[in-house]
Amino acid sequence: DADVTQTPRNRITKTGKRIMLECSQTKGHDRMYWYRQDPGLGLRLIYYSFDVKDINKGEISDGYSVSRQAQAKFSLSLESAIPNQTALYFCATSDTGTYNEQFFGPGTRLTVL
Amino acid sequence: TQLLEQSPQFLSIQEGENLTVYCNSSSVFSSLQWYRQEPGEGPVLLVTVVTGGEVKKLKRLTFQFGDARKDSSLHITAAQPGDTGLYLCAGDGGSNYKLTFGKGTLLTVNP
Repeated sequence: DADVTQTPRNRITKTGKRIMLECSQTKGHDRMYWYRQDPGLGLRLIYYSFDVKDINKGEISDGYSVSRQAQAKFSLSLESAIPNQTALYFCATSDTGTYNEQFFGPGTRLTVL
Repeated sequence: TQLLEQSPQFLSIQEGENLTVYCNSSSVFSSLQWYRQEPGEGPVLLVTVVTGGEVKKLKRLTFQFGDARKDSSLHITAAQPGDTGLYLCAGDGGSNYKLTFGKGTLLTVNP
C-alpha cells in the first residue's frame, strides 16, 4: 500500500463550488504539506503543518484553507473554486531531522470550469 | 527569497548518450535534494547532498553539491528510456524547514 494517499485522483468542478482534497499518510511523519504544480511554474507551497496544532501559510495560500484532523490526515479546501485553480495538487510528508526530505502522494488533477 | 534555477528546461537525447543538468542559486543551502517525477505521479526522492563538494552515485546517476553549497549537478551516464522524467532539485535553507524547488528539467530519452 502507498505511504501517502490522495483522494480524489481526478476532479472536474465548476466555478464557485467548494472542493475538498484529502491526504492520508502511514509514514508516521509529523510534517505535512500541500503543493500545486503548474506547467512552467514548478511546485509552489500552499500550506504546511508541523503538527496537529500547527498550520502555516505557504507562498500561495489565498483562496485555500486546510485542516489537520490528525497526525495522519491533512485536507485542502477550495472554498469557492475559480478556473485559475486548475492544477495538479500534491500532498507531501517529511520527518523531523531528515533534511526535510519529502515523500509525495500521487497527486490530484483538479479542473475548474 | 531563495531561488533555484535549473537548466536546461528541456532535454531530448538518444539512448546511450551522457547528459548533465544543473541547479544553481545565489543562496546557500544546508542541503539539496534531487527528485524524479514521472507522468501522472508525484516526485520521488533520488538523493540528498549535504556537504560542500560532496559526490553521490546512484547506479548511472552522479550527483554533486558545489563547494559553496549554492549549486548542484546531476550527470547521467548512458541514458536509458527509463530515465525519462522531470528532474527537480530542491534546497533546504535550514531556517524554516521548507524546501525551495526549482522548476525542473524535462528529460526525454529516445530509444
